[in-house]
Amino acid sequence: AQSVTQLDSHVSVSEGTPVLLRCNYSSSYSPSLFWYVQHPNKGLQLLLKYTSAATLVKGINGFEAEFKKSETSFHLTKPSAHMSDAAEYFCVVSAWRDDKIIFGKGTRLHILP
Amino acid sequence: GAVVSQHPSRVICKSGTSVKIECRSLDFQATTMFWYRQFPKQSLMLMATSNEGSKATYEQGVEKDKFLINHASLTLSTLTVTSAHPEDSSFYICRVRDLSRDEQFFGPGTRLTVL
Repeated sequence: AQSVTQLDSHVSVSEGTPVLLRCNYSSSYSPSLFWYVQHPNKGLQLLLKYTSAATLVKGINGFEAEFKKSETSFHLTKPSAHMSDAAEYFCVVSAWRDDKIIFGKGTRLHILP
Repeated sequence: GAVVSQHPSRVICKSGTSVKIECRSLDFQATTMFWYRQFPKQSLMLMATSNEGSKATYEQGVEKDKFLINHASLTLSTLTVTSAHPEDSSFYICRVRDLSRDEQFFGPGTRLTVL
C-alpha cells in the first residue's frame, strides 16, 4: 500500500528566502516520487522526480528534493523564493511500474513581498 | 510541445445537458489513460482508468453511468458527463503513461461549469 502526506496545507515565505515544502511517503515497494506545481486554473507541471537514481534530485526553476529512505521523506526546497513560485504544490508517489499514483493533498505556497 | 492535449479547455453548460471531454496522446500510443477530478482548493482524485478496447475501471463512489468513458483508439479517450448538474462542476484532468519511457504526462485540464 502506498500513501503520501504533505505536512503543511499552507506555507508562507518572504521573497528571497528559502522554501521548504514537506512530504512523507509510505510504500511497500521502491517508490517513484514526484513533485508537481499547479498555478491557478492551470494544469500540472512536473518539477522533478525521483526514480531510484541519485537521492538529491534537481528540478526546474531552482527547485530540488532529497529522497531520504530512513525518514521516508521527499521534501522540496528552493534557496530563494520568487513571486512567481506562488502556487499549489503536490507530492506524488507511485510504485515502480505501477499504474496507480497517489497524490498528496497539496501545499499552497504564498510568497510575501 | 504538449504531449497530452485535452479539449475543450473550458466549458459552460446548462444543468441536464451532457458534456464530452477528450484526452489525446500526441506523442505515443497509450493503452491506458486515467481520469481525475479536482474540486476547488483540493487535490486530484482518480475517477477511472480508461482501457483501450475494453471497459473502463471506476473508482469506488464514481457512477459509471454518469461518467461514461470511451477509449476507442490508442491515442484518444473521452469522458462524457451525462445529465450534468452543478455539483459536477470541477476541473477534469487526464493522465497518460508512456510505458516505453516509463514516464507519465498530464493533460492541461478541462474546467467544467454547470449552471
